[in-house]
Amino acid sequence: AQKVTQAQTEISVVEKEDVTLDCVYETRDTTYYLFWYKQPPSGELVFLIRRNSFDEQNEISGRYSWNFQKSTSSFNFTITASQVVDSAVYFCALSTSGTTDSWGKLQFGAGTQVVVTP
Amino acid sequence: NAGVTQTPKFQVLKTGQSMTLQCAQDMNHEYMSWYRQDPGMGLRLIHYSVGAGITDQGEVPNGYNVSRSTTEDFPLRLLSAAPSQTSVYFCASSYYPGTSGLYNEQFFGPGTRLTVL
Repeated sequence: AQKVTQAQTEISVVEKEDVTLDCVYETRDTTYYLFWYKQPPSGELVFLIRRNSFDEQNEISGRYSWNFQKSTSSFNFTITASQVVDSAVYFCALSTSGTTDSWGKLQFGAGTQVVVTP
Repeated sequence: NAGVTQTPKFQVLKTGQSMTLQCAQDMNHEYMSWYRQDPGMGLRLIHYSVGAGITDQGEVPNGYNVSRSTTEDFPLRLLSAAPSQTSVYFCASSYYPGTSGLYNEQFFGPGTRLTVL
């Protein structure tokens, strides 16, 4: 069975501080995909990144960076120099590809609420 | 492209009423799915479809029915609404990965906020 744990319920920071969101996953499949989604107060889900299990390279995109470590089953997300517009709920999700039936099924974590104050 | 559309945006039902949440996509995606979002629980998969005429259950299917008669549409039916079905419902779609095995991004609709009294 798959499981995604986001232990941080809420993180509050002051603008320009860095914030790191933790994501720990469990799966028995050797091929899997990890995602981060952002849900701003307006409610829509915004795709941020996808990472394949066979590619452990970390990634940076503007103020966002992701640290994927298979050894600890973690896929952490850092926002550098946070801004008020970063205030949102962030979800980590996992999908496996053990069988064709697995495609399209996302296992979400509970989400982390990020509050950035001016 | 309109992407993934959902109607209605908001709905209030009384216990025992039935209704259908509509979901449509214009990207010719094979995969479509329904999730519900409850506070503190993230999103949970209700039902999914790998193509027209093919559907299957997800993690929390009880009380919901789906069908997929066309590639574009994937409606979710609440047979007899219960207060426990008060939630935000998201529809999603994506391409089939094919022989490449590469996973493709899931596109989410804007959501339907349902309240059952």
